[in-house]
Amino acid sequence: GQQVMQIPQYQHVQEGEDFTTYCNSSTTLSNIQWYKQRPGGHPVFLIQLVKSGEVKKQKRLTFQFGEAKKNSSLHITATQTTDVGTYFCAGLGSGYSTLTFGKGTMLLVSP
Amino acid sequence: DTEVTQTPKHLVMGMTNKKSLKCEQHMGHRAMYWYKQKAKKPPELMFVYSYEKLSINESVPSRFSPECPNSSLLNLHLHALQPEDSALYLCASSHQARGDYGYTFGSGTRLTVV
Repeated sequence: GQQVMQIPQYQHVQEGEDFTTYCNSSTTLSNIQWYKQRPGGHPVFLIQLVKSGEVKKQKRLTFQFGEAKKNSSLHITATQTTDVGTYFCAGLGSGYSTLTFGKGTMLLVSP
Repeated sequence: DTEVTQTPKHLVMGMTNKKSLKCEQHMGHRAMYWYKQKAKKPPELMFVYSYEKLSINESVPSRFSPECPNSSLLNLHLHALQPEDSALYLCASSHQARGDYGYTFGSGTRLTVV
C-alpha cells in the first residue's frame, strides 16, 4: 500500500532559526496536504498542493511539491515559539483513496 | 460554521462499560471520519462514512461500532474496551470521501480505559 515517509522525526531549534521537514511517498500522489498539531491539540489543515512543482507561501511558511509529485517539503523561516507543534504531511493517491499520514515532525523552538 | 464539535472532551470508562462518542459538523461536508491517535503518533484511520454510508472500515475490532444518523452527525459506540484502546479519538469531515481540499478535525475525545 501507499507509504509516506517524513523526516526528521524531531527538531529543536533556537527562535529565529529556519526549519524544514521533508515528506516522501512511495507512489505518485494526486495531492499532498500539510497539517499542524499543537501540543495537546488536534491536527489543523494548513495547505494542499496539487500541481507538479507547485510552491505556495503562507507568511513565513513555504510549501513545495516535487516535480514527480512524490515528495514535498515545508520550510519555516525565522521560527517563533508559536511554531511549536508537530507537522504532518498527508498524501492522497489516485482514484478512490483516503489520506495517508506521515509520522510527523515534532518542532520545538527555544526562546 | 467551520467547526467539527466532539463530545465529550474527556472520558474515563471501565472495561465493562458502554459509552458513545459524538461528533457534529454543519459545513455540508459529505464525508466523516473516525481516527485514533496515540501519543507521538500520526492519526490512524478507523472508519469513513460517505453520504451517510460506511465506506471504509480499517479492520477495526467490533468493540468499536460507528453510526451515522444523518449527514451532520457521527457517533462511535464503545463496548468492552481494553486499556490499550486508551487514546485520542478524532472525528474529521471533508467535502468528499477522497479528502480533496483537506480535512477539518474536531478537538477530539481523550479516552482512558481502566
